[in-house]
Amino acid sequence: EVQLVESGGGLVQPGRSLRLSCAASGFTFDDYAMHWVRQAPGKGLEWVSVISWNSGSIGYADSVKGRFTISRDNAKNSLYLQMKSLRPEDMALYYCAKSFCGSASCFPDYWGQGTLVTVSS
Amino acid sequence: QSALTQPASVSGSPGQSITISCTGTSSDVGSYNLVSWYLQHPGKAPKLIISEGTQRPSGFSHRFSGSKSGNTASLTISGLQAEDEADYYCCSYTSSDTWVFGGGTKLTVL
Repeated sequence: EVQLVESGGGLVQPGRSLRLSCAASGFTFDDYAMHWVRQAPGKGLEWVSVISWNSGSIGYADSVKGRFTISRDNAKNSLYLQMKSLRPEDMALYYCAKSFCGSASCFPDYWGQGTLVTVSS
Repeated sequence: QSALTQPASVSGSPGQSITISCTGTSSDVGSYNLVSWYLQHPGKAPKLIISEGTQRPSGFSHRFSGSKSGNTASLTISGLQAEDEADYYCCSYTSSDTWVFGGGTKLTVL
């Protein structure tokens, strides 16, 4: 069974940094691309970033480009999202999602339960 | 990266069929057979219901079907059931090698 467990969320002041993690199990992690998707309170889903199986292809939404960095450690079955210069509009539940295949052009198929990031002074 | 356009809400009675549209551009929906659909019940994580425009995950209900015409993808749910009441989102790959979601549609089963 695919399991994705996000962690690292919390309360952070505007302008500060935070690193999210996603622990994966139940599938061969290094065969699949991975996504981050966020959802602000009461709002819809917003795609954030994707990384291919070997980190060779990475994409970001314009809203986070230059501030967020996605990475993965296949030896640890883990996905990360380093977030810098956080803004109030970055406040959201951040989901880690497994991709259907190894390419960054594959859609998310399984999702974790999310970790909440609150940006406030 | 503008969000795909979905109706904010749709409704139907049990047993009826409804269709949710998802309109993009020639840079996303119109260029790729890579539209996926997700449902999300309140407080829960999204769940994949349609991939690559028309494909259902293994074992998933045949009441859900997808289609595409030009820059618009559609999700049809037939034989509406109370448990279908949820938020529905479309998602497409884009020519910028990124992904974009629709704004979401709230389905109410009357």
